[in-house]
Amino acid sequence: KAGVTQTPRYLIKTRGQQVTLSCSPISGHRSVSWYQQTPGQGLQFLFEYFSETQRNKGNFPGRFSGRQFSNSRSEMNVSTLELGDSALYLCASSFLREPRYTQYFGPGTRLTVL
Amino acid sequence: QKEVEQNSGPLSVPEGAIASLNCTYSDRGSQSFFWYRQYSGKSPELIMSIYSNGDKEDGRFTAQLNKASQYVSLLIRDSQPSDSATYLCAFQGGGTASKLTFGTGTRLQVTL
Repeated sequence: KAGVTQTPRYLIKTRGQQVTLSCSPISGHRSVSWYQQTPGQGLQFLFEYFSETQRNKGNFPGRFSGRQFSNSRSEMNVSTLELGDSALYLCASSFLREPRYTQYFGPGTRLTVL
Repeated sequence: QKEVEQNSGPLSVPEGAIASLNCTYSDRGSQSFFWYRQYSGKSPELIMSIYSNGDKEDGRFTAQLNKASQYVSLLIRDSQPSDSATYLCAFQGGGTASKLTFGTGTRLQVTL
């Protein structure tokens, strides 16, 4: 079974721009979560989508948003980019019927904001 | 108090030895605990999950959970240089069952 895929893998943007990242979950997984990883803050939860609805949201500003499509693919958008948004953005998918929502991560998108 | 505490390391162990990685958490409502391994520049890879008090073994890995002490550990037996990575402890708990809360990770170095 193919794993979680994320595109693009690398992205360079400038301050003030916006960016859209894409995630395709493992086949059959309907829950998609997004995380931000930085050297200073570690891995932090952004939000989770299930059946096209946002179920949970982390403590990030409204510039960070996401959505999920009927095929469970998800996108996250960051508007008005700031230097501090430079990070590895990770998507994780879960079957939600496995024991306790085990999450499997994609390879990530490395975003650099100049 | 941080939600998840891990010693950042580096933890250095010789090849063939047992590596012991520890994690404490503050949320008593936590139900599920996970260990992920992350190589430099890569994404986290699930190593072990544990939900009940006691030990759970999978190959060279043993996870230990003590909910009363709010403590979870990972033992790696017969450590290999390929085990050199950052090990992240994570838990799910409270009302947001799917959200993972991560520790900052322990960097393990297995020396020849």
